[in-house]
Amino acid sequence: KAGVTQTPRYLIKTRGQQVTLSCSPISGHRSVSWYQQTPGQGLQFLFEYFSETQRNKGNFPGRFSGRQFSNSRSEMNVSTLELGDSALYLCASRQGSGANVLTFGAGSRLTVL
Amino acid sequence: GENVEQHPSTLSVQEGDSAVIKCTYSDSASNYFPWYKQELGKGPQLIIDIRSNVGEKKDQRIAVTLNKTAKHFSLHITETQPEDSAVYFCAASTNQAGTALIFGKGTTLSVSS
Repeated sequence: KAGVTQTPRYLIKTRGQQVTLSCSPISGHRSVSWYQQTPGQGLQFLFEYFSETQRNKGNFPGRFSGRQFSNSRSEMNVSTLELGDSALYLCASRQGSGANVLTFGAGSRLTVL
Repeated sequence: GENVEQHPSTLSVQEGDSAVIKCTYSDSASNYFPWYKQELGKGPQLIIDIRSNVGEKKDQRIAVTLNKTAKHFSLHITETQPEDSAVYFCAASTNQAGTALIFGKGTTLSVSS
């Protein structure tokens, strides 16, 4: 069974640009969550989607947004990038329906210059 | 909101020794406590989890204990091996689905042979 796939793995952007990251969950998983990982703040919850609906949202500004498609694939977008947005963005999927084991992907490493 | 404190931030042990990592949480409504292991270049991987209605759980060399009254939980690794070297994260969630995890800042475990 393929794991959680995130693309791209690495990317470099400049301040003010926007970025879109993609996540393909494990086959059959209907829930996708996004986390930001930085050395200073650690792992922080961004949002969770289930069946194309946002179920939970963390404490991040509106520049961070996401969506989920009917095939459960998810994208997150960060607009007007700031230096502090440099981080590893992790996607995690779970089956949903009460199952709560989160399986993480390897992440997308974003560097903002 | 929930806050999770994790100690120590670094831990060095000899192969074969035991390692203990401790976490405290602030929200008494938290009811799901997973532990993740993150190796270099990879996403976090669930190694064990415990719910608030259980005091202890074991899986081979790994065990987790939970003290709801004191609001703390601990990870115990016995007979450590060099391949146990990684960053370990504790987390807490206030919902039964285990989503919107609040993570501790992590413990870097080094096992020397």
